[in-house]
Amino acid sequence: DQQVKQNSPSLSVQEGRISILNCDYTNSMFDYFLWYKKYPAEGPTFLISISSIKDKNEDGRFTVFLNKSAKHLSLHIVPSQPGDSAVYFCAASALVPAGKSTFGDGTTLTVKP
Amino acid sequence: GAGVSQSPSNKVTEKGKDVELRCDPISGHTALYWYRQSLGQGLEFLIYFQGNSAPDKSGLPSDRFSAERTGGSVSTLTIQRTQQEDSAVYLCASSPLGAAGREQFFGPGTRLTVL
Repeated sequence: DQQVKQNSPSLSVQEGRISILNCDYTNSMFDYFLWYKKYPAEGPTFLISISSIKDKNEDGRFTVFLNKSAKHLSLHIVPSQPGDSAVYFCAASALVPAGKSTFGDGTTLTVKP
Repeated sequence: GAGVSQSPSNKVTEKGKDVELRCDPISGHTALYWYRQSLGQGLEFLIYFQGNSAPDKSGLPSDRFSAERTGGSVSTLTIQRTQQEDSAVYLCASSPLGAAGREQFFGPGTRLTVL
């Protein structure tokens, strides 16, 4: 049973437009959510996170929205740039077990010039 | 500062052989994780070490897989009698104790190919 799902394996957008990556979860104990970005032949790197006490967190071009009732979060990238082309992983964690995150399968974003 | 390092970066082995993959976490990070990513798949959790606590081995796919963490620092993932389905990128990550952000810092991975 996959507790974190990214239902879109890939997404293609035009440079300058908005990219919206979606993530759904099933475990109501998750209270912290993270997005990671992964380039080929590199490990994932942390991008942005949100606590369940918030519904929005913004960092420059990146904004994460959390809808707890729907158990859904999304990552918005505005404006999208070709360098944003990568695989984006959604991850979720709970207070218990401490420190452990559950990852989605990732969405490959391609930003076309 | 130095990030998480992994060695080797690539490993090609024959079916049935044992392999050892090494991870050097960021100094001072008490939590260490192993994941694997098979071709076209997501991150599959394997094992998690946190301080002196017993490791969470719930993700290990079979008893051919084992991992150790010596002195609370370096970790070695061992795969015995490798099979072709073990071919994947093995990623290590570390995290500081009580990190409010709970983010993990990943190494570049070891690409394992079992012929």
